[in-house]
Amino acid sequence: DIQMTQSPASLSASLGETISIECRASEDIYSNLAWYQQKSGKSPQLLIYAANRLQDGVPSRFSGSGSGTQYSLRISGMQPEDEGDYFCLQGSKFPYTFGAGTKLELK
Amino acid sequence: QVQLKESGPGLVQPSQTLSLTCSVSGLSLTSNSVSWIRQPPGKGLEWMGVIWNNGGTDYNSPIKSRLSISRDTSKSQIFLKMNSLQTEDTAMYFCARNYYSSYMGSYWYFDFWGPGTMVTVSS
Repeated sequence: DIQMTQSPASLSASLGETISIECRASEDIYSNLAWYQQKSGKSPQLLIYAANRLQDGVPSRFSGSGSGTQYSLRISGMQPEDEGDYFCLQGSKFPYTFGAGTKLELK
Repeated sequence: QVQLKESGPGLVQPSQTLSLTCSVSGLSLTSNSVSWIRQPPGKGLEWMGVIWNNGGTDYNSPIKSRLSISRDTSKSQIFLKMNSLQTEDTAMYFCARNYYSSYMGSYWYFDFWGPGTMVTVSS
């Protein structure tokens, strides 16, 4: 199975701060990487797919980058509504696997 | 608009069989694939398996021997059955559309999710 190592596990950011979350795959996943935001008690919401494509309706302060085994999610200007958990997903090979998650809080 | 909604018993006794239903609207199951994904309380997400638009299935190896996914296309419903439940199967269970994008590459991801249904395994 492809292991997805996500960091950091938790993050505290000030209003307007720019933050990054990383996911490293145990092998090349050819940009088959998606990012999700999950609010408490809710289902995950798709933010980014194909490593860097913004899902319709997602604010442009969210962006994704990376290739091969290294990927990152960037939030340019933290907003209160950005608090939540963030997960990466690799869809390159079965079984699909997720990163362990990053808990993002507003400082 | 695309909507998925899970339903199930809430509480299941250890060693019993779990049966869940995912009801979908706004999409055809003969053109779309749907996965089941679960999340134990306070933990990460685990992909369980998928039923493809052609009715074929694929399962995650650790639970493959206990899991069955089927569908009723006329009712737009997907079913999950998992036997020999243990306390570690306590989780929120989600169904989600397995979307394939072939634009400038080959990408799989889950774009629409149901709200989830909580399953507690306890006597």
